[in-house]
Amino acid sequence: DAKTTQPPSMDCAEGRAANLPCNHSTISGNEYVYWYRQIHSQGPQYIIHGLKNNETNEMASLIITEDRKSSTLILPHATLRDTAVYYCIVRPDKLIFGTGTRLQVFP
Amino acid sequence: NAGVTQTPKFQVLKTGQSMTLQCAQDMNHEYMSWYRQDPGMGLRLIHYSVGAGITDQGEVPNGYNVSRSTTEDFPLRLLSAAPSQTSVYFCASRRTELSYGYTFGSGTRLTVV
Repeated sequence: DAKTTQPPSMDCAEGRAANLPCNHSTISGNEYVYWYRQIHSQGPQYIIHGLKNNETNEMASLIITEDRKSSTLILPHATLRDTAVYYCIVRPDKLIFGTGTRLQVFP
Repeated sequence: NAGVTQTPKFQVLKTGQSMTLQCAQDMNHEYMSWYRQDPGMGLRLIHYSVGAGITDQGEVPNGYNVSRSTTEDFPLRLLSAAPSQTSVYFCASRRTELSYGYTFGSGTRLTVV
């Protein structure tokens, strides 16, 4: 199983871009990179996913390096409501959660 | 669509009691999973299913049983509740294609005394 490594915590000022990195150096060629977040005690929320190309949706952008060994989730204009734990996952069929990155957005 | 519905939202059990946590989805999703989240900890996979009649164990299956008789429902049974099973339980579902993400329910908060 591909393993992911994320920093345990990050801070971001409200209105600024939040860039959350993820290392997945053992990813296989056909494995997608998925990002989820969990706000407080709510159920996790799917954000975005990608295979090789960069992806963008209404919530975020996903930048995947050319060798696919790492990726970055970008929240372009972070708000206080984006304070959450963000998870990067590369085994989406069984969806094994790691420890994630706790993002704190401050005023 | 109601999405993923979990019942009950809260439950208190005595040690040794059994109960079933219900999970239903109306999106015709093939994949369904159960997770537990202990206070201050991450989510751990208990059991999952890739379709009706097919289930498999996750990271922490001991003390739990599942069955998948229909596409819509994926109940989780606690055989003999223990205080160590005090947790928040989340159910999730997704379409078969890997290009879709999981949808999670709002959780069941279980306390075993």
